[in-house]
Amino acid sequence: DAGVTQTPRHEVAEKGQTIILKCEPVSGHNDLFWYRQTKIQGLELLSYFRSKSLMEDGGAFKDRFKAEMLNSSFSTLKIQPTEPKDSAVYLCASSGLGGQDTQYFGPGTRLLVL
Amino acid sequence: GDSVTQTEGPVTVSESESLIINCTYSATSIAYPNLFWYVRYPGEGLQLLLKVITAGQKGSSRGFEATYNKETTSFHLQKASVQESDSAVYYCALGDQNNNAPRFGAGTKLSVKP
Repeated sequence: DAGVTQTPRHEVAEKGQTIILKCEPVSGHNDLFWYRQTKIQGLELLSYFRSKSLMEDGGAFKDRFKAEMLNSSFSTLKIQPTEPKDSAVYLCASSGLGGQDTQYFGPGTRLLVL
Repeated sequence: GDSVTQTEGPVTVSESESLIINCTYSATSIAYPNLFWYVRYPGEGLQLLLKVITAGQKGSSRGFEATYNKETTSFHLQKASVQESDSAVYYCALGDQNNNAPRFGAGTKLSVKP
C-alpha cells in the first residue's frame, strides 16, 4: 500500500506569492491532517478533515492558509499571500479514525519564502 | 485546553547510557486520552514509535518503553541503553475518541554520541 504522498517536496516562493501544496492520503483513511513543523513550535495543526468535512481549523492560520479536500484521495493547502515567516516544513498525515488512531505522515514539503 | 509538554531539547547522551524524555499532558476536555510517541529519524518521515490507549498500560518498541500514568498525567519515554541509531526527534502526542485532532508536544531532539 502506498503511504501518504506530498508534492512538491521543496518549494521556493517570493514574498506575496500564492503557493499550493498537495497531499494524497493513505487509501481508505477517513481523516486527513495538515501540520506545520518548525524547530521552535514543533507540530502546529493547520487543518483537520474527516470524510472531507472540515473538523478543525488552526485558529492562528485562518487568514492566509486554506486547506481543501476535493475528494477522499486528494487535498490541497493554499498559502496566500506567502510571507517569510511561513518558511517551514508542511506535513500531511492521514488516519483511519481521528485522534485515537495512528497517524501516517507524508515526507513533507519544505517551503522557503524569500 | 488540551496540551502536551515534553523535555526541551536538544538532549545529548552517550551510547549505552540510559535515557528518559519526559512528557506530561493536560486533557481537560478528553475523557479517555490516547497517548503516542512518534519519531523522526534523519532523512525519514515522522512515524509511530509506540502508543497506549489504556491508563496504566505500558507500550514498548525498539527497546523504548512508556507507561500511561493517569495520576501524574505523564507518558515518559525511557530506554535503558541507547544506541547511536536512536538519534532522532521524538514527539509526544495526545489523542482522543472525539472529533479532535491529536495534540503534539514541541519535539525533543536526541543526539547519541558514539
